[in-house]
Amino acid sequence: QGQLVESGGGLVKPGGSLRLSCAASGFSFSDYYMSWIRQAPGKGLEWVSKITTSGTNKYYADSVEGRFTISRDNANNALYLQMNSLRAEDTAVYFCARDRYSGGYWDYFDYWGQGTLVTVSS
Amino acid sequence: HSALTQPPSASGSPGQSVTISCTGTSSDVGGYNFVSWYQQHPGKAPKLMIYEVTKRPSGVPDRFSGSKSGNTASLTVSGLQAEDEADYYCISYAGNHTPVFGGGTKLTVL
Repeated sequence: QGQLVESGGGLVKPGGSLRLSCAASGFSFSDYYMSWIRQAPGKGLEWVSKITTSGTNKYYADSVEGRFTISRDNANNALYLQMNSLRAEDTAVYFCARDRYSGGYWDYFDYWGQGTLVTVSS
Repeated sequence: HSALTQPPSASGSPGQSVTISCTGTSSDVGGYNFVSWYQQHPGKAPKLMIYEVTKRPSGVPDRFSGSKSGNTASLTVSGLQAEDEADYYCISYAGNHTPVFGGGTKLTVL
């Protein structure tokens, strides 16, 4: 059974930076696209970013484009999210999740981590 | 793509059935059979309950079922139990690498 464990969250001032990590185990990490999804306090889920298996292609929500960078280290089964120029509205629990595709179409997220809280405040 | 539309809340008594809707467009929900549903208890990670509109992952009780008609997908919980009280989210393929999310529905078991 696959497992995802996020880390790296914390309190950061507006304009600051933070790097989140997601450690994967129990499955062949390099075979799967991976995503970051966030949830602001008391709000719904919001997709943030996705990365392909090799790391060649990366996709971002408009709200984080140009500020966040997704990356992965397949040798160490790790996913990362570098967050720069943080704003108050980036305050959220950040989840990493495994993407499943079917016939080339995005299908669903089957594994989710427990999340890590990022608070942007002065 | 705009977010999918879900009712903010739904409720039912133990043993009853409740259905939660998820309305999109012909570019997402109506155009593909890639709608999934997730259950989230407070402070926990979302859990996959239904994928590809109607399929249940191993371990999900058959009290949970999914369907779709036109641009609206639905999640039905039959024989409501106290532990079903949670937030439920729908997500759909939207024609690119960025799936579109519903706003979530808070299910209350009365």
